Amino acid sequence: GESVGLHLPTLSVQEGDNSIINCAYSNSASDYFIWYKQESGKGPQFIIDIRSNMDKRQGQRVTVLLNKTVKHLSLQIAATQPGDSAVYFCAENYNQGGKLIFGQGTELSVKP
Amino acid sequence: NAGVTQTPKFQVLKTGQSMTLQCAQDMNHEYMSWYRQDPGMGLRLIHYSVGAGITDQGEVPNGYNVSRSTTEDFPLRLLSAAPSQTSVYFCASSYQAGILVGTEAFFGQGTRLTVV
Repeated sequence: GESVGLHLPTLSVQEGDNSIINCAYSNSASDYFIWYKQESGKGPQFIIDIRSNMDKRQGQRVTVLLNKTVKHLSLQIAATQPGDSAVYFCAENYNQGGKLIFGQGTELSVKP
Repeated sequence: NAGVTQTPKFQVLKTGQSMTLQCAQDMNHEYMSWYRQDPGMGLRLIHYSVGAGITDQGEVPNGYNVSRSTTEDFPLRLLSAAPSQTSVYFCASSYQAGILVGTEAFFGQGTRLTVV
């Protein structure tokens, strides 16, 4: 069945370093992918998205890479800051509007 | 704009009680959904709606009912609360589909429910 999973449940980085959070998905029909950030006690917050016709998309300090050959998604955060500390979820969607399948999540901890 | 608003933020129920979690959005989104989040896990879809009058089941629908009488509101009803329904519940809304607009979901702040 379809599933989205993360390779690393926790990630600890030094402030100023770059962070890379990975995600694997199993449904080759998925055509839209989203990264969310969830801070403690809050709802998930949209970070960046990418459609399946793209390999890379950049935002402010964040880049999402999509490798459809191996069904892999990654989120890169440049110059990680303490405010980036949160749980990051990837989610996939396959032409069903907002119906999303979420991965387990990776907790990012930024050390000052 | 308020975005997605959920009430209440916290709730304690006794086993067997029923209650309704409220969700409202002011973005004119067609699509609304309810998720539950358990410790150390991702969000699991309970029910969703692609528009007023239309609802469907997600991954974990048992024990929950929904209705969508208006575009703005999407309440979630617990029929007879059980300890297994202790969780944090998130409501989300999005555009249904589109190329020019993203279909990313916007989430509410969550309702923390404890069933004793």
